[in-house]
Formats: sequence, C-alpha cells, structure tokens
Amino acid sequence: KNEVEQSPQNLTAQEGEFITINCSYSVGISALHWLQQHPGGGIVSLFMLSSGKKKHGRLIATINIQEKHSSLHITASHPRDSAVYICAVRSSSNYQLIWGAGTKLIIKP
Amino acid sequence: EPEVTQTPSHQVTQMGQEVILRCVPISNHLYFYWYRQILGQKVEFLVSFYNNEISEKSEIFDDQFSVERPDGSNFTLKIRSTKLEDSAMYFCASSEGLAGGRETQYFGPGTRLLVL
Repeated sequence: KNEVEQSPQNLTAQEGEFITINCSYSVGISALHWLQQHPGGGIVSLFMLSSGKKKHGRLIATINIQEKHSSLHITASHPRDSAVYICAVRSSSNYQLIWGAGTKLIIKP
Repeated sequence: EPEVTQTPSHQVTQMGQEVILRCVPISNHLYFYWYRQILGQKVEFLVSFYNNEISEKSEIFDDQFSVERPDGSNFTLKIRSTKLEDSAMYFCASSEGLAGGRETQYFGPGTRLLVL
C-alpha cells in the first residue's frame, strides 16, 4: 500500500473552475508539502504545512492531522495552472520526503 | 532570487560508465538532497547530506552511488557504473534547516540522465 495517496490522478477542468486535489497518508508525519511539477520537469515548492491552513494567492492548502488528509485548492483556475501537483510528507521517524504519485491538472481555456 | 542550479541539464552515457551530476545549492542552505524520478513514475528520495556527511539514504542509494561536497559550493552525485535502470531525472534540492519553517526544500531544474 502506498504511504501517500493522491486523488484524482488526472483532472481536466475549464478555466475559472475551483479545483480540489486530495492527499491522504498513512504514516506519522512532521510536515506535509505540496509541490508543483511543470511539463519540463522542474519542481517548485508551493506549501509546507504541519497544521491548519495556508494561502498564497489563488492557492489554499489545508491539513487535518487527525484524519491524515490534506487538500490543495485552486480558485479561479487558469490554463497556466496546468501542471502535476504532488503531495509529499516528511516522515516523523526520519527526514525523508515520501512522495505521492501526483495529480495531473489540465485547465482548458 | 537565489536558486539551486544543476549541470548538465542532459547527459547520455554508456552502460558501465561513471557519471557525476553536479549541483550548486543555495548559498546559506545547510541541508542537501538528491532525488530521482524515473520517467512516468513518482519522485524517489535518494540521499540527504549535512555537515559533510550523509544523514539519510534510501534503499536505492547503494554502493554504486556516492555524494560529495568537494568545495564550498558544489554538491555532487556520482554513479560509479551506470545501469540502464539508472536512466531518470535527477533532482538536487537544498534547505536551510529541518524544522522551524526552514525545512522548505528548493529544487534544481534536474539532470536528465539516459543510459544506453
């Protein structure tokens, strides 16, 4: 069983739609990261969360530690948001990042 | 804005050859990481490095792999005798710390390694 599960695997939406990507994990964590991987392969850190909620522009990330679940929301989605969004957790037993498989998001104009 | 750089961007090598992938982490960062991503698969942790020694490594990071910080700026990943299955994108990352808000990792653009 994967320690980090993301859903959906693929998501296609129209420009302007509200997007939600989910991440569930099964291990104890010290932090959860949301990252964005562009079509060329580059990886950018979006958020690092250990509790609650964070907002950056049109992106919002939430985490529920008790339920071992996090969500990434994109408001007013735009074609430039098209990318793979990856959830990765930092295990509380070591400092390794355990990566999810990613959610491929396509926003159509 | 400071960034992590990696060279080369692409490398093609013959099976059995040694390759060295280079990274220049952000200058005030203390923790360095290597990850790999085989085409179509998830990113996998290889190794973390702090204070001139390996702090964590995964099962993937066997005796064929080594890391080094040969000077004050470069952080290298060496694969001694490449195998076909080493073909992947290799990402370097660095962070200021491991906690207290300093654990955000900044990633380089990656080196795409192809072993023939």
